[in-house]
Amino acid sequence: TQLLEQSPQFLSIQEGENLTVYCNSSSVFSSLQWYRQEPGEGPVLLVTVVTGGEVKKLKRLTFQFGDARKDSSLHITAAQPGDTGLYLCAGYTGTASKLTFGTGTRLQVTL
Amino acid sequence: DARVTQTPRHKVTEMGQEVTMRCQPILGHNTVFWYRQTMMQGLELLAYFRNRAPLDDSGMPKDRFSAEMPDATLATLKIQPSEPRDSAVYFCASGLVGQNTEAFFGQGTRLTVV
Repeated sequence: TQLLEQSPQFLSIQEGENLTVYCNSSSVFSSLQWYRQEPGEGPVLLVTVVTGGEVKKLKRLTFQFGDARKDSSLHITAAQPGDTGLYLCAGYTGTASKLTFGTGTRLQVTL
Repeated sequence: DARVTQTPRHKVTEMGQEVTMRCQPILGHNTVFWYRQTMMQGLELLAYFRNRAPLDDSGMPKDRFSAEMPDATLATLKIQPSEPRDSAVYFCASGLVGQNTEAFFGQGTRLTVV
């Protein structure tokens, strides 16, 4: 079983603060994806990282894929209330076409 | 605007009843995933298909759950008989298989079994 553990599980911060969410596994993945989910909706893809060591930036969000392609991190700079939601990492195994989701990090950003 | 469509959005049923959830994947996508989401377990992969063929359904309780793709525009997830522990939000997602298959999710079916 491929397990993706995310930490922290919950995070409550004030607007303007920085934060980092971690996604760790003992398995190697073809790619690692990050999604955000809002209440009553399905997860929506934010980014895909493919190469070990890769760093991608999406405005105030920075995503990194570990060198061994087993772990990833999401860093948010100057968080805003609109960043509130459930953040999910997902590991894709190309040979099996399997997409496995992490345990999730629930982020609350207050004014 | 292409999107995955799931029906029904909400379903309340009595224990023992059959429940069928439907999903219309995005046209042209060849991979369909079924997930179940609960607060305790998070997002669990139940089954997935490529080109309508089931690749893996090891995440599903076999005795009561079944997943099928009668054609390229319809995927179904059936529970018979349903139990209170099946209460959850069930998501369907579709994608194009490749090196970085990305999942496009529907809005989910919220199932409550009483």
